[in-house]
Amino acid sequence: KAGVTQTPRYLIKTRGQQVTLSCSPISGHRSVSWYQQTPGQGLQFLFEYFSETQRNKGNFPGRFSGRQFSNSRSEMNVSTLELGDSALYLCASSLVEFVTGELFFGEGSRLTVL
Amino acid sequence: AQKVTQAQTEISVVEKEDVTLDCVYETRDTTYYLFWYKQPPSGELVFLIRRNSFDEQNEISGRYSWNFQKSTSSFNFTITASQVVDSAVYFCALSVIMGLGSSNTGKLIFGQGTTLQVKP
Repeated sequence: KAGVTQTPRYLIKTRGQQVTLSCSPISGHRSVSWYQQTPGQGLQFLFEYFSETQRNKGNFPGRFSGRQFSNSRSEMNVSTLELGDSALYLCASSLVEFVTGELFFGEGSRLTVL
Repeated sequence: AQKVTQAQTEISVVEKEDVTLDCVYETRDTTYYLFWYKQPPSGELVFLIRRNSFDEQNEISGRYSWNFQKSTSSFNFTITASQVVDSAVYFCALSVIMGLGSSNTGKLIFGQGTTLQVKP
């Protein structure tokens, strides 16, 4: 059974640019959630999508957005990048609601903003 | 507000030693879930255990055991006879359900993580 796949694994952007990250969940999982991991702030929840609808959102500015497609694949977008957006972005999928179930994580997309 | 505190930032032990990772949580919710995840150097978090607030039974899985105590709001994780492969960052997490009668909406809060280094 294939795991959660995130692309790209590494990317470098400059301030002001935008970036799109992709996440393919485990087959059959309809919930996809996104997290930002930084040395200073730790692991923080960004948002969760279920059946193409955003159900939950963390405390991040509107520059962070996402969407989910009918095949459950998800993308997250960060516009007008800032230096502080440099982080490991993790995606997780789950069979049931993300707050109660086991999360299956991808290896992450490491974003560096210069 | 909910909070998870993992006071131990880094722990270093020698192989075969037992080690306990502490986790203290804060929430006023009566229904919540607690988790432990392991993050090896490759980056992806791996699920270890889930506990709901109504189940205070301790659990043992091989060399791993968990001690859940609501009285002290703690959910500690012990590795017995540690091995080099146990070296990783370990996260404790708390989730609460926000919607009445629904588990669709909620919050998931992670602790800062404890880096465990097991030396041969």
